[in-house]
Amino acid sequence: QKEVEQNSGPLSVPEGAIASLNCTYSDRVSQSFFWYRQYSGKSPELIMSIYSNGDKEDGRFTAQLNKASQYVSLLIRDSQPSDSATYLCAVTYNFNKFYFGSGTKLNVKP
Amino acid sequence: DTGVSQDPRHKITKRGQNVTFRCDPISEHNRLYWYRQTLGQGPEFLTYFQNEAQLEKSRLLSDRFSAERPKGSFSTLEIQRTEQGDSAMYLCASSLAEAAAQDEQYFGPGTRLTVT
Repeated sequence: QKEVEQNSGPLSVPEGAIASLNCTYSDRVSQSFFWYRQYSGKSPELIMSIYSNGDKEDGRFTAQLNKASQYVSLLIRDSQPSDSATYLCAVTYNFNKFYFGSGTKLNVKP
Repeated sequence: DTGVSQDPRHKITKRGQNVTFRCDPISEHNRLYWYRQTLGQGPEFLTYFQNEAQLEKSRLLSDRFSAERPKGSFSTLEIQRTEQGDSAMYLCASSLAEAAAQDEQYFGPGTRLTVT
């Protein structure tokens, strides 16, 4: 079992819709959770971090964390074609273990 | 330029040769990480430094791989006797981890290695 699981997609949404990206992790002592965006041929770009249960909003992005269910999600409101990219979920635990999922490819159709 | 930089951006080498990559982190960042990424996969952790101390190495990191961060500034990653399976994007990231759990990592552009 991988430490971080993501649906590879592609997830297709129309422009202006809400895109919902999901991630599950295997270790209950995981402490920090991150979402990165990666455009094709580029390096990952940090979007958001979340450390405690609940929601965290930043502009059009909302991260949701549920530690009991070992689940973290990213909502993108008013999706734009420029949001089309691969979204990577990352989890750290024990302060020195770092795991990325394989990413979910998002396509936003104009 | 305040971002993470990596050099070279591309490297083509023949199997069996040694290669060395350099990473310059964001200047005030105390943590530096190395990852490897292949097509369709997320970054795979290799090792990380806090200041000049190498605190963790992945079990996937064979003896052919070595990393250094002298003086806690830039870092180098060396791969000896390269194999075709080493072909990948090598990513460097840095963070300012004032609290251990707050580990927002910022990535450099990567070094793409092709082993022929």
